[in-house]
Amino acid sequence: EVQLVQSGAEVKKPGESLKISCKGSGYSFTSYWIGWVRQMPGKGLEWMGIIYPGDSDTRYSPSFQGQVTISADKSISTAYLQWSSLKASDTAMYYCARLPLTGLTDGYFQHWGQGTLVTVSS
Amino acid sequence: EIVMTQSPATLSVSPGERATLSCRASQSVSSNLAWYQQKPGQAPRLLIYGASTRATGIPARFSGSGSGTEFTLTISSLQSEDFAVYYCQQYNNWPPDTFGQGTKLEIK
Repeated sequence: EVQLVQSGAEVKKPGESLKISCKGSGYSFTSYWIGWVRQMPGKGLEWMGIIYPGDSDTRYSPSFQGQVTISADKSISTAYLQWSSLKASDTAMYYCARLPLTGLTDGYFQHWGQGTLVTVSS
Repeated sequence: EIVMTQSPATLSVSPGERATLSCRASQSVSSNLAWYQQKPGQAPRLLIYGASTRATGIPARFSGSGSGTEFTLTISSLQSEDFAVYYCQQYNNWPPDTFGQGTKLEIK
């Protein structure tokens, strides 16, 4: 069974750094793209970027390029989303999700993590 | 970037009735369109991909149609567990994928 298990909720202050994680199991972690999706409070879904853990090829949405960093450690089957300096506007639920196939032919998300709530407040 | 527009924002339907949700793309996305269901406090769940193919385990009362710029998600006979928010997503011109703003399906 494919599972994506995300790290727990975080409460941070503006200006702090943060790295949240998403651990994949039940499949070949290095063979499938994993993406990150933001959902601000009471709002819709926003596609942030994706990474191919096999070679760390990463693609970002222009809206998030330079604002976050997506990475992966294939030795422990874990993908990451990180911020160097958080803002209050980064307060949101963040989901990791996996593409259905090993290539980039189909960009929908077949499997989802449970979400990580990030709260940024002074 | 392709803009996805869903309508209506909120749809009120009685249990047992049919619900029809719409999604429009600002340019053609062929059949590269997915639908998701999200219940409060839960992650989204894939319902439909390729505009009309049901994902594994999705009941037959959910159906998708359309191609190009106009798409529809139909729920043939609403069950209590179907009241949720529904999102469409295009993956034709990607990355990035883009999502619609969502349609909230509520009990009438």
